[in-house]
Amino acid sequence: GAGVSQSPSNKVTEKGKDVELRCDPISGHTALYWYRQSLGQGLEFLIYFQGNSAPDKSGLPSDRFSAERTGGSVSTLTIQRTQQEDSAVYLCASSPKQETQYFGPGTRLLVL
Amino acid sequence: AQSVTQPDIHITVSEGASLELRCNYSYGATPYLFWYVQSPGQGLQLLLKYFSGDTLVQGIKGFEAEFKRSQSSFNLRKPSVHWSDAAEYFCAVGVRNAGNMLTFGGGTRLMVKP
Repeated sequence: GAGVSQSPSNKVTEKGKDVELRCDPISGHTALYWYRQSLGQGLEFLIYFQGNSAPDKSGLPSDRFSAERTGGSVSTLTIQRTQQEDSAVYLCASSPKQETQYFGPGTRLLVL
Repeated sequence: AQSVTQPDIHITVSEGASLELRCNYSYGATPYLFWYVQSPGQGLQLLLKYFSGDTLVQGIKGFEAEFKRSQSSFNLRKPSVHWSDAAEYFCAVGVRNAGNMLTFGGGTRLMVKP
């Protein structure tokens, strides 16, 4: 079956611009996670959605970062006023329950 | 808060040799434990997981891992490495009944010599 998909694969933007990253989880998976992978910080948790519950935003690095999940499926991670330190690979994962997470291929973001 | 340590940043082994990648975690209870592999430019692929029960778990591609509670370790092993195993390997822990957000180790990059 189809795995987790993310778009775009690559995004180049200028400092100060806003970007939106999209994640399509595996159908039927109720949990959705965003992580960031950067050279300096490794893999870090950003935000977690479970069903219709309020998201756990404890990993978001600043208030420039936000995410939403519409209809319990697709999720969008938005970064406002991008900074060069936001350059990283953004990974999305989904899970049928709070157990095994299946990752998408990631979006590589470069802020110039 | 939990933490994960992968002591070896790089490991080089000869094709056909055995492999062990180390992983130590810090957490007050038994977490969920995972090993993922990442090839260049790719996402993370699950190799194996431990939730409970038998402490020796088998995964894909001939990998296995053993959970040792006394050592807070979850080392990954493979008896005979293939050139296609060259990649970066990540150990991760998740907290039971609390969302299971993963905390990752820093990764071990495996190189395979012909």
